[in-house]
Amino acid sequence: EAGVAQSPRYKIIEKRQSVAFWCNPISGHATLYWYQQILGQGPKLLIQFQNNGVVDDSQLPKDRFSAERLKGVDSTLKIQPAKLEDSAVYLCASSLEDGYKAFFGQGTRLTVV
Amino acid sequence: AQSVSQHNHHVILSEAASLELGCNYSYGGTVNLFWYVQYPGQHLQLLLKYFSGDPLVKGIKGFEAEFIKSKFSFNLRKPSVQWSDTAEYFCAVNVWNQGGKLIFGQGTELSVKP
Repeated sequence: EAGVAQSPRYKIIEKRQSVAFWCNPISGHATLYWYQQILGQGPKLLIQFQNNGVVDDSQLPKDRFSAERLKGVDSTLKIQPAKLEDSAVYLCASSLEDGYKAFFGQGTRLTVV
Repeated sequence: AQSVSQHNHHVILSEAASLELGCNYSYGGTVNLFWYVQYPGQHLQLLLKYFSGDPLVKGIKGFEAEFIKSKFSFNLRKPSVQWSDTAEYFCAVNVWNQGGKLIFGQGTELSVKP
């Protein structure tokens, strides 16, 4: 079974620049999540999609972060403009349904300098 | 707000030693509980989960965890660790009927010496 695919694996940008991450979930998984994992901490949910609708974006800094899931499959997460504190690993996960086993991608490690 | 606390930041054991990693959560309602593991350079993988029923759950690679509702705890155990168990372990909670989001603890890094 193919896993959750993310790209790029690594990204280094300067503060105030913009960046985008891409995620392809496991085929058939309706629920897609983006998590932010800062060094030394556990992952924190940024946004959850059910098909192409947003279920929970309460912890997404909407002044600079945006996410979309076109056609209920692939998803992109964008940061514009980036701040130093956005340096983290951005994890995408998918699951068949709410609260069920979530499968994680390898993440994108973002460094903002 | 709901939170998950893992007692140890870094645990160092010798091979064949027994392991217990603590996890406590703060939420009085129905929860689903998970332990995830992240081996060096790899993605997060599910180790085991508890939804309902027998509070002692068995996962992959000889791991088990016990849900004690009265203590809001879900501790992870393994009788005899191996060098290959070196990884970071995350406890996570999903609050029932509040969507599928996972609330993670800060993680415990386990180093097993050969």
